[in-house]
Amino acid sequence: GAGVSQSPRYKVAKRGQDVALRCDPISGHVSLFWYQQALGQGPEFLTYFQNEAQLDKSGLPSDRFFAERPEGSVSTLKIQRTQQEDSAVYLCASSSRQGPASTQYFGPGTRLLVL
Amino acid sequence: AQTVTQSQPEMSVQEAETVTLSCTYDTSESDYYLFWYKQPPSRQMILVIRQEAYKQQNATENRFSVNFQKAAKSFSLKISDSQLGDAAMYFCASRGGSNYKLTFGKGTLLTVNP
Repeated sequence: GAGVSQSPRYKVAKRGQDVALRCDPISGHVSLFWYQQALGQGPEFLTYFQNEAQLDKSGLPSDRFFAERPEGSVSTLKIQRTQQEDSAVYLCASSSRQGPASTQYFGPGTRLLVL
Repeated sequence: AQTVTQSQPEMSVQEAETVTLSCTYDTSESDYYLFWYKQPPSRQMILVIRQEAYKQQNATENRFSVNFQKAAKSFSLKISDSQLGDAAMYFCASRGGSNYKLTFGKGTLLTVNP
């Protein structure tokens, strides 16, 4: 079956612009995660959804970051008034069930460059 | 809180040889899981191998195996018979038993020389 897909793959934004990043998880996966990967670093957790409920948003760096998953499938990560420090690869991952033993499957990421 | 440390920013290996990537971690949880992920250039991250902390036996997946030293909080990855396709960034990650988010190290860039 299809894996996790993300769009766009690349996004260039001028500082101050709003951007929206989309994640299509594997069909039927209840858990969805967003991570931010800065250049040369490992991914860092941003937020977690179980179905449509956002259970943890503790990793969102500021109130300019907002994520939603209104129907429990596709998710959108929105960044308002982008800053240069927002430049990173944004990774989405999904898993079929809850619990720490479940495997997270990652998408290819969206590379965001803020000029 | 969990922390993961990868002390080798870069490693190289000759094709068909064996290489070991190091990882240490720290956690306050008694139940946790450890992972190695592979991220090829411009391609998505995939799971290589997983270890449940409660299992004493080291996990193996074909040419990939781990050396899990629980007391030392060490979790190294051994790649045997290295292939050109193994070239990638490798991330060590942990996940607590009461948690769901992965905590990653900074990664080790593996180069495989023909």
